[in-house]
Amino acid sequence: DAGVIQSPRHEVTEMGQEVTLRCKPISGHDYLFWYRQTMMRGLELLIYFNNNVPIDDSGMPEDRFSAKMPNASFSTLKIQPSEPRDSAVYFCASTPTGTSTEAFFGQGTRLTVV
Amino acid sequence: GIQVEQSPPDLILQEGANSTLRCNFSDSVNNLQWFHQNPWGQLINLFYIPSGTKQNGRLSATTVATERYSLLYISSSQTTDSGVYFCAVDPFNQAGTALIFGKGTTLSVSS
Repeated sequence: DAGVIQSPRHEVTEMGQEVTLRCKPISGHDYLFWYRQTMMRGLELLIYFNNNVPIDDSGMPEDRFSAKMPNASFSTLKIQPSEPRDSAVYFCASTPTGTSTEAFFGQGTRLTVV
Repeated sequence: GIQVEQSPPDLILQEGANSTLRCNFSDSVNNLQWFHQNPWGQLINLFYIPSGTKQNGRLSATTVATERYSLLYISSSQTTDSGVYFCAVDPFNQAGTALIFGKGTTLSVSS
């Protein structure tokens, strides 16, 4: 398996624009997570899904953020409208259900909002 | 919620030295993982270790779940070991299986 795949790797956008980040989890993994990493707050959980259903979105900072998982192999995180304080690295991770729940992370998307 | 504390926050070593990184957590956990974030920002899985001891080359880890801590040992450090080491836990009393991260230990190894 190629691992968790995120796109784009880098995104630079202007304030007010819509941004969509994409993630393909590892095949067979039932859980998908979106994290954000900043210098100030470290790695923080935004939202996670189990079998394509959102379980906990309490980490989503504002209504400008939304996430979907239309099928087992694809998820999006959307920011509309984007603001400079959204600049961060966004990671997607997936994990299986069962005895071993080891999480694997994608390479991240570095978002810069100017 | 659960607290995850890592120490030391920063560590500077000469190549060849050994080191021990510590992770304390405030509640029971289902899962504990150690990650290395390299200078390119990638999060590399080191160990999945909810309890016991594991070894992988120059690295080893021990988790004592009853005492709520885990240790990561790096022996004969190399410059490529530089980066940030994160401990992350999946709290026992939390529905689902999301990892909560500590703030990390930043390791710098010089030649």
